[in-house]
Amino acid sequence: QKEVEQDPGPLSVPEGAIVSLNCTYSNSAFQYFMWYRQYSRKGPELLMYTYSSGNKEDGRFTAQVDKSSKYISLFIRDSQPSDSATYLCARGGSYIPTFGRGTSLIVHP
Amino acid sequence: DTGVSQNPRHKITKRGQNVTFRCDPISEHNRLYWYRQTLGQGPEFLTYFQNEAQLEKSRLLSDRFSAERPKGSFSTLEIQRTEQGDSAMYLCASSLASSGGLNEQFFGPGTRLTVL
Repeated sequence: QKEVEQDPGPLSVPEGAIVSLNCTYSNSAFQYFMWYRQYSRKGPELLMYTYSSGNKEDGRFTAQVDKSSKYISLFIRDSQPSDSATYLCARGGSYIPTFGRGTSLIVHP
Repeated sequence: DTGVSQNPRHKITKRGQNVTFRCDPISEHNRLYWYRQTLGQGPEFLTYFQNEAQLEKSRLLSDRFSAERPKGSFSTLEIQRTEQGDSAMYLCASSLASSGGLNEQFFGPGTRLTVL
C-alpha cells in the first residue's frame, strides 16, 4: 500500500466553485502533511502544510487533516482559472517525503 | 533569484548516449533530493544528500544512474546509456534539515529528458 494516495481526476469545476481535493494516508503515525501545486511542465511549489489534526487556513485555501479516518483535504474557495493545475499531497516529517500521484484540477470560466 | 535552479531545462538525446543534469539548491539548504516524475504520477524519490554525503538511494536508481554533490553545494545526476524508459521530468529539491521537523522541500523547475 502506498503511503499517500490520491484520485488523479481530472476534476472540472466552474469558476467561483468551492473545490475539495482529497488524499488518504496509510500510517496513523504520520504527523506532517504538505500540499503542492504543480502547473504543467513546471516544478511543484509548496502551498501549505499541516501538523497533526485540524484545519489551517491561508487566504482562499484551507488544509484539513482527519486523523481518525486518515484523510487529508485541501479546500479552495472562489476558485479561479489560474488555480488550474495538479495538486499533490505529500507526507512530510521524515528524511524522504512521499508524494501522491496528484489530482488534476480544471477551473473553467 | 534565490530558488532552486536546474540545467538544462530540456534535453533530447538518442538512446545509448550519456546525459548529465545539474541542480543548484537554495544556498543555506543542506539536503538535496532528486526525483523522477512521469506523466500522471507524483515525484518518485531517487536519491538524497545531506551536505556532500549521499545517504539513501531508491531501488529505482539503477547502476546507470549516478549522483554527486561535491562540497555539499550543487549536485549532478548522470544517466549512462540512456534508454527510452528514462524519458521523464527530473526534479531537484532542497530543504533545511531539522530534527523532528517538517522537512519542507523547495523544488526546481525540472529537467525534461526525452530519449529517442
